[in-house]
Amino acid sequence: RKEVEQDPGPFNVPEGATVAFNCTYSNSASQSFFWYRQDCRKEPKLLMSVYSSGNEDGRFTAQLNRASQYISLLIRDSKLSDSATYLCVHNQGGKLIFGQGTELSVKP
Amino acid sequence: GAVVSQHPSRVICKSGTSVKIECRSLDFQATTMFWYRQFPKQSLMLMATSNEGSKATYEQGVEKDKFLINHASLTLSTLTVTSAHPEDSSFYICSAERTGLSSYNEQFFGPGTRLTVL
Repeated sequence: RKEVEQDPGPFNVPEGATVAFNCTYSNSASQSFFWYRQDCRKEPKLLMSVYSSGNEDGRFTAQLNRASQYISLLIRDSKLSDSATYLCVHNQGGKLIFGQGTELSVKP
Repeated sequence: GAVVSQHPSRVICKSGTSVKIECRSLDFQATTMFWYRQFPKQSLMLMATSNEGSKATYEQGVEKDKFLINHASLTLSTLTVTSAHPEDSSFYICSAERTGLSSYNEQFFGPGTRLTVL
């Protein structure tokens, strides 16, 4: 089993749509979780950290369910500029473990 | 935010040659840097953890004699791919860890180096 598993993509959605990504992790000892965004042929950039209580940053909402070892990212009112690959990441002893990513394509 | 640079951004070389990639933290000191590799349509895979002034720690399956890491200063780590072969062609990304007030030390990524071995 992979340490971090994400929804297979790609997700093709129209502008303004709400889209949700899911991620599961296998190591219950993982302490910190993040969503990164990676544009084509670029480095990953931190989108947001994920907290147990859930957190929101503008159109983005992240949730963590430790009991189910499950993380989610919700994007509301999607924009063309949201098109990218979204990576679910957890911190394991100082090392970042990346999921394979879910590709999002927002169409006009 | 913190800035990390990588050089070169792209390199094409012949099979059997060695390639050195530099990773620099431009506005902060980084005791720890990380080297990742990403093949097309795959995720980033951690290759090794680079510690200033000591030997790098390699992940399982990564040959330390093939991927030489040197972290001689608090702002520079280098990765040398020795005797490169076509299967080493990949996107190599470094990150530098900045210590902060929280329990998590954020990693800042360089822009990556695309290596093509002919």
